[in-house]
Amino acid sequence: DVKVTQSSRYLVKRTGEKVFLECVQDMDHENMFWYRQDPGLGLRLIYFSYDVKMKEKGDIPEGYSVSREKKERFSLILESASTNQTSMYLCATTYRDRVYEQYFGPGTRLTVT
Amino acid sequence: DQQVKQNSPSLSVQEGRISILNCDYTNSMFDYFLWYKKYPAEGPTFLISISSIKDKNEDGRFTVFLNKSAKHLSLHIVPSQPGDSAVYFCAASAQSNYQLIWGAGTKLIIKP
Repeated sequence: DVKVTQSSRYLVKRTGEKVFLECVQDMDHENMFWYRQDPGLGLRLIYFSYDVKMKEKGDIPEGYSVSREKKERFSLILESASTNQTSMYLCATTYRDRVYEQYFGPGTRLTVT
Repeated sequence: DQQVKQNSPSLSVQEGRISILNCDYTNSMFDYFLWYKKYPAEGPTFLISISSIKDKNEDGRFTVFLNKSAKHLSLHIVPSQPGDSAVYFCAASAQSNYQLIWGAGTKLIIKP
């Protein structure tokens, strides 16, 4: 079974703080994704990575950056958290050639006050 | 502008009856469609998919229908069971771009 873990289930941060969200997978998947999920909007792609040290912007990259130093780990960084980044953050992984069947972690609910 | 729309935020169905979840899309370049299921406090899990070269795909109690001319797909669950209560997301992709575009989700409630 694929296991995708996220560093925190719930996180509360203050405006202006730097926030790190970590995602770790144990299935040797090449592709990793970060989404945010908001009511009425579904999942929106922030960034994805198809290999170590590689990254591509998704639909809403503004205010975020990512890091992938090891294949199994993909980090999402909020350089200076703002209240409009309060959301559910979901990490997903896939094999290189099966990009549609995404395996998700349980999510991190981030509240920025 | 949402390219994938799930117009029903919620749906309530009696156990044992058929559940029909609907999804509309606007981008004619989409050629692959998926349904994911999400329970509270868990990430979404892949349920079923369909390529645009087909109009139906079946997997046990789950069947997805695609109507390309109407840019519409639907997920049928029959018979509905209590464990089917979840949020269902429709997603679409154009093969030239591996990114998935997601609908807002429909919360399905199966009543005993």
